[in-house]
Amino acid sequence: GQNIDQPTEMTATEGAIVQINCTYQTSGFNGLFWYQQHAGEAPTFLSYNVLDGLEEKGRFSSFLSRSKGYSYLLLKELQMKDSASYLCAVKEGGSQGNLIFGKGTKLSVKP
Amino acid sequence: DVKVTQSSRYLVKRTGEKVFLECVQDMDHENMFWYRQDPGLGLRLIYFSYDVKMKEKGDIPEGYSVSREKKERFSLILESASTNQTSMYLCASFTSGQGLQETQYFGPGTRLLVL
Repeated sequence: GQNIDQPTEMTATEGAIVQINCTYQTSGFNGLFWYQQHAGEAPTFLSYNVLDGLEEKGRFSSFLSRSKGYSYLLLKELQMKDSASYLCAVKEGGSQGNLIFGKGTKLSVKP
Repeated sequence: DVKVTQSSRYLVKRTGEKVFLECVQDMDHENMFWYRQDPGLGLRLIYFSYDVKMKEKGDIPEGYSVSREKKERFSLILESASTNQTSMYLCASFTSGQGLQETQYFGPGTRLLVL
């Protein structure tokens, strides 16, 4: 079956580093996405991994291991505005763009 | 920049009413999606469309229908609204063949309350 797991909630301190993990079991794999969603707003795209390894984009990095069905999102130099939910999503295959979403990790950044 | 717009940010309807949620994208995307998002359940796919007049059921299509008469517009219809359809509804669009930077772009969402 299809399953995407990520922690429900995490708390971290301003200025620190936090890692949000995501494991997946899907019938196909054609890329993994991370989205950020502030309360009451739509998800916004953060990163995309389709090959193994680390993709770095400023304070945010995302890692993928296809053999382990595992990804993480790394947030450095945390700021209060990083308090949000972070959604992991897998594209199974095909060209239609269907994504399977995890339930999201709510990150709270404290002073 | 891709722009996906939804007709309303907030909507209050009564049980049994017919409800139309409209979504428009301005980037000529082939694929459009309707999700609902509920606490503890995450994003769940209701319907999607990969071309004009084409539609496919997602994971939770019951109680909903869709219409795609024009490429840029994808409508979600609640034939007879019920209280368990109170939710945040998110529309998204996606285009094929964009390579490594492809992703779904989301509209701002419609928060629907059914009384």
